[in-house]
Amino acid sequence: ETGVTQTPRHLVMGMTNKKSLKCEQHLGHNAMYWYKQSAKKPLELMFVYNFKEQTENNSVPSRFSPECPNSSHLFLHLHTLQPEDSALYLCASSQGAQGNNEQFFGPGTRLTVL
Amino acid sequence: AQSVTQLDSQVPVFEEAPVELRCNYSSSVSVYLFWYVQYPNQGLQLLLKYLSGSTLVKGINGFEAEFNKSQTSFHLRKPSVHISDTAEYFCAVSDPNFGNEKLTFGTGTRLTIIP
Repeated sequence: ETGVTQTPRHLVMGMTNKKSLKCEQHLGHNAMYWYKQSAKKPLELMFVYNFKEQTENNSVPSRFSPECPNSSHLFLHLHTLQPEDSALYLCASSQGAQGNNEQFFGPGTRLTVL
Repeated sequence: AQSVTQLDSQVPVFEEAPVELRCNYSSSVSVYLFWYVQYPNQGLQLLLKYLSGSTLVKGINGFEAEFNKSQTSFHLRKPSVHISDTAEYFCAVSDPNFGNEKLTFGTGTRLTIIP
């Protein structure tokens, strides 16, 4: 595997379910990100991890819980989601969290909440 | 606070014609500027970026962009488009003091190439 991979690619869940999204980067990067992409809206940065430490949480509801066990893996734990949480969730990584570092994106997980 | 405006949500262009995708930003500080492309069912990929220096930036796939500080714009151009350029294009701005933690994206422009 190369680049940034995300699993699953598609996920359908009920509002009472608990599920997790997984992201893995094979680029030796130190920073990882979760974004939410909804139709007709700008990409929303949710969480930033730099050297496994969470450095940004953009007022994301607590029903989204990130976990970064090491610099190569990032998880997004989901519980009691709402239908408006349906979106494409993108993971990205970069060498560091500095602004001139290119972010490499995974293909995303298409989440549907029923 | 910084923001990005992409005025055109959809741009149809005939194959081999030139294209310009518009991006305007607002920021009270100096900025880094980026264009990303998203092909169907894929994540975003960096096309080009402006950090400093020459205002004309060349990227991959024949795209270029020009940073215009007085007009706070960073428009993307290509002199001759190909069917494979069909994708969604995102402009983004970051504050050099905060880096990727404060990367702000526009709403995107869907480029459709007409054969």
